[in-house]
Amino acid sequence: DADVTQTPRNRITKTGKRIMLECSQTKGHDRMYWYRQDPGLGLRLIYYSFDVKDINKGEISDGYSVSRQAQAKFSLSLESAIPNQTALYFCATSAMRGRNDTGELFFGEGSRLTVL
Amino acid sequence: GESVGLHLPTLSVQEGDNSIINCAYSNSASDYFIWYKQESGKGPQFIIDIRSNMDKRQGQRVTVLLNKTVKHLSLQIAATQPGDSAVYFCAEKYTGGFKTIFGAGTRLFVKA
Repeated sequence: DADVTQTPRNRITKTGKRIMLECSQTKGHDRMYWYRQDPGLGLRLIYYSFDVKDINKGEISDGYSVSRQAQAKFSLSLESAIPNQTALYFCATSAMRGRNDTGELFFGEGSRLTVL
Repeated sequence: GESVGLHLPTLSVQEGDNSIINCAYSNSASDYFIWYKQESGKGPQFIIDIRSNMDKRQGQRVTVLLNKTVKHLSLQIAATQPGDSAVYFCAEKYTGGFKTIFGAGTRLFVKA
């Protein structure tokens, strides 16, 4: 079983609809992230959370919101989807060693979202 | 190497040959560098990392080279196999912070 699980894996929706992408992890990591991947642009950070009470905006948070329901669960919402939010979305986790982030990110298998 | 825009750089190699994937990083304060491999339909997966106090690190069939003077990182894959076909991302990080900056990726094709 995957350590970082994303649902749904694929979703097609229409402009204006609300969409939620869910992520759960069994790695026991405190830090969780949502990234967006577009062709030729690498991965860009949407939101991140260092623990259940800590939520922070990344570089491209406009049009998105998140919820950290538990240490193991971090969901991403598009309140009113638009076509330029069509992309591949990845959830990731990372571990701490002492006061420092170990650096390595553990990714889910991605959620492909198409907004028509 | 690095690219900004819609076109992913590609590298095509013959099975059994060595591959070299290059990356230019952007932040002089970055002190930790990682290569990720992304196979079709999957999330990126850690391959190898290197800290800024090193200039070379070897793994199984992979070697990462770091040149801090010119802010350049490379990934060398020895005896490239069909299973190495994937998109490879370099990433940089300052370990006192949290943010990982990803390059645009390079697609590696391995010809049988």
